[in-house]
Amino acid sequence: DVKVTQSSRYLVKRTGEKVFLECVQDMDHENMFWYRQDPGLGLRLIYFSYDVKMKEKGDIPEGYSVSREKKERFSLILESASTNQTSMYLCASSLGGSTEAFFGQGTRLTVV
Amino acid sequence: GQNIDQPTEMTATEGAIVQINCTYQTSGFNGLFWYQQHAGEAPTFLSYNVLDGLEEKGRFSSFLSRSKGYSYLLLKELQMKDSASYLCAVREENQGGKLIFGQGTELSVKP
Repeated sequence: DVKVTQSSRYLVKRTGEKVFLECVQDMDHENMFWYRQDPGLGLRLIYFSYDVKMKEKGDIPEGYSVSREKKERFSLILESASTNQTSMYLCASSLGGSTEAFFGQGTRLTVV
Repeated sequence: GQNIDQPTEMTATEGAIVQINCTYQTSGFNGLFWYQQHAGEAPTFLSYNVLDGLEEKGRFSSFLSRSKGYSYLLLKELQMKDSASYLCAVREENQGGKLIFGQGTELSVKP
């Protein structure tokens, strides 16, 4: 079974903190994605990566950065957390082309 | 730009058939996916269409018309456990294939 693992299920951070969300997949997938999910807004793409060290901005990259130093790991970084970044964060991975994406269980981040 | 539209909510009766529509406008198209997401859980893959026509998989079918930018997910013999959010997603035709989601359709199945 494909496994996409996110480092934390729940996280509480303070405003202004630097936050790291980690995602690891075990199927040698080229593509990895970070989304946030908010009620009424669906899944919105923050960043995605199609290869090691390669990244592209999604629809809402402001306030976020990413790192992909190894193929299996894709990190989302909140440079200075703000309360409007309180959300459910979902990581996904896929092979290239027509294959489906597999999701991690999500990290519910609360910024206070 | 890109735009993916689905109804926000739908209600159906156990045992019935329901059709969830999705329309899209994207800068390039390389396939359409449907996912199911139960409350508090991660989305799980249901179906994939890249060519026009109907794909059937048990109680679930998905249809695509690329010329109309339109897809639907058909759920037959509805069960209570089908109550969930159904997400339409389009893969764009660029390097790596950006995957963009609609806002999802919350389906409630009632007895």
